[in-house]
Amino acid sequence: EPEVTQTPSHQVTQMGQEVILRCVPISNHLYFYWYRQILGQKVEFLVSFYNNEISEKSEIFDDQFSVERPDGSNFTLKIRSTKLEDSAMYFCASSPSRVEPQHFGDGTRLSIL
Amino acid sequence: ELKVEQNPLFLSMQEGKNYTIYCNYSTTSDRLYWYRQDPGKSLESLFVLLSNGAVKQEGRLMASLDTKARLSTLHITAAVHDLSATYFCAVDDSNYQLIWGAGTKLIIKP
Repeated sequence: EPEVTQTPSHQVTQMGQEVILRCVPISNHLYFYWYRQILGQKVEFLVSFYNNEISEKSEIFDDQFSVERPDGSNFTLKIRSTKLEDSAMYFCASSPSRVEPQHFGDGTRLSIL
Repeated sequence: ELKVEQNPLFLSMQEGKNYTIYCNYSTTSDRLYWYRQDPGKSLESLFVLLSNGAVKQEGRLMASLDTKARLSTLHITAAVHDLSATYFCAVDDSNYQLIWGAGTKLIIKP
């Protein structure tokens, strides 16, 4: 069964550095998402992406964050000038349509030191 | 602003028992999703509920949606240890955002 893949599985970065989290969505899916989950807490929506542009973003997704789909397969989340509170699990998801369930990757655990 | 509340947040139960997890939401929506998460793992889609009165069943799990009451339930029948996980409901706010409940951590003891 096709799946969403995320790399790396764990990223450790010094505060103030930039990180890029990578995702390969399922190939025939059209909608792409990033979420984060701080340890032991609820899942929080960051951004959705459709037709090569952001379709919605949450208050969390400020100027520090950006997303790109640089080619036909990858979907990236860039976090500039990381802060300690950015430490979390970041999940990428994709779906074929707005109403069908989103398929999640295994996540990238981001640790900011 | 859409708010999603789940209860209970923690549930410990014996194998063989039945129980229900509740998901309330604050504003109109007709799309609700249930996901399962094992510790340290990703989120697995369980059910999609797209209309008032929708009921879906898979094995020992059954989910329903009452859009008038803004309530969804996830019912567990004759629980088994393998169902131990955290269960999340998520509601579509019709603005391309899924708003998530806090999750219900379910522990099923042999």
